[in-house]
Amino acid sequence: DVKVTQSSRYLVKRTGEKVFLECVQDMDHENMFWYRQDPGLGLRLIYFSYDVKMKEKGDIPEGYSVSREKKERFSLILESASTNQTSMYLCASSLPRTGQETQYFGPGTRLLVL
Amino acid sequence: GQNIDQPTEMTATEGAIVQINCTYQTSGFNGLFWYQQHAGEAPTFLSYNVLDGLEEKGRFSSFLSRSKGYSYLLLKELQMKDSASYLCAVDNYGQNFVFGPGTRLSVLP
Repeated sequence: DVKVTQSSRYLVKRTGEKVFLECVQDMDHENMFWYRQDPGLGLRLIYFSYDVKMKEKGDIPEGYSVSREKKERFSLILESASTNQTSMYLCASSLPRTGQETQYFGPGTRLLVL
Repeated sequence: GQNIDQPTEMTATEGAIVQINCTYQTSGFNGLFWYQQHAGEAPTFLSYNVLDGLEEKGRFSSFLSRSKGYSYLLLKELQMKDSASYLCAVDNYGQNFVFGPGTRLSVLP
């Protein structure tokens, strides 16, 4: 069975802290994604990666960075957390797109920045 | 630009039929996904439409009109467990999707 796991379901951090969100998938997928989900705005793409050690900016990369050292793991880093980064963060993975391959999502990390 | 629109909230009664609409204007279009997301959980895949027309999958059906930039998800014989958010996402060529804001459906007894 397909599985995407995220390191924490809930996280509380203070403004200025460095925050690491980890995502691991066990499906040998090449593609991995980080989204944030906010009420009324839907899922917005932060960063994505099509292969180990590569990364591409999504629609809202400012204030974030990512790391993909191994195929199964994709980390999202908030270098200096701010209150406007309070959100639900969702990780996803997929095979390379040639048709109707869907993205598989993790359960999400709800981050609160105080 | 990219613009995807869905109603914010809908309410329906158990046993009824509900139609959730999605309109889109995107820079590219290869197909459209629908996902279901229960509160506090991950989105899960429901359907994918590439060609115009209706795709039926049990109680759920999805329709696409490429020329009109329009899709809908039809849920029949509603059950309480169908209370969730429903997300449409455009597959705009390449590896990424563009998601709509989601529609929160409440099913009442």
